[in-house]
Amino acid sequence: KQEVTQIPAALSVPEGENLVLNCSFTDSAIYNLQWFRQDPGKGLTSLLLIQSSQREQTSGRLNASLDKSSGRSTLYIAASQPGDSATYLCAVRQGNSGYALNFGKGTSLLVTP
Amino acid sequence: DADVTQTPRNRITKTGKRIMLECSQTKGHDRMYWYRQDPGLGLRLIYYSFDVKDINKGEISDGYSVSRQAQAKFSLSLESAIPNQTALYFCATSVGLAGVAGELFFGEGSRLTVL
Repeated sequence: KQEVTQIPAALSVPEGENLVLNCSFTDSAIYNLQWFRQDPGKGLTSLLLIQSSQREQTSGRLNASLDKSSGRSTLYIAASQPGDSATYLCAVRQGNSGYALNFGKGTSLLVTP
Repeated sequence: DADVTQTPRNRITKTGKRIMLECSQTKGHDRMYWYRQDPGLGLRLIYYSFDVKDINKGEISDGYSVSRQAQAKFSLSLESAIPNQTALYFCATSVGLAGVAGELFFGEGSRLTVL
């Protein structure tokens, strides 16, 4: 069974810092990996989707990388802002489970002014 | 208007009651999913549907049933609610691309409390 782990569970940084969130998965046979943002009590907002054939995706200040062979993905946030405070979730899609997503438990990020 | 709409957004009910959570989408996606989120456990898949005639159990389907009434509508039912079904429930959609599902889009969630 695919296990998805996110480290750290919580992170607090001052505004302006660059930061990296980590996601690891145990089964490298994935179709894609998706990063989400979740604000308290809200739904999940898709940030980036990386297909298994891709190494990275970028959107604005966000950059996500994928190393399928080592079972790792990182989400890089440049020049963090207080508005980036949220929980960040990664999820991997397997082919042998009906293409369902397996989620990590998230990293709770607080960016202080 | 949201692309993926869930109703109700909040519901408090009693043990043994039947509850239905509804999801509708305007994205035109063929695939729909129901997840639940619990503190410390993350999101877990309950059921998913790849089209109107295709329903599949997820990781934690016991105690739940679903109905795909149309491509745009996917409802989740708790036939006899119990307190450990208290959770935040999410509906999600995606488009299938040559057998590989694409990006997932989520609704705002339905918070269910079973007393």
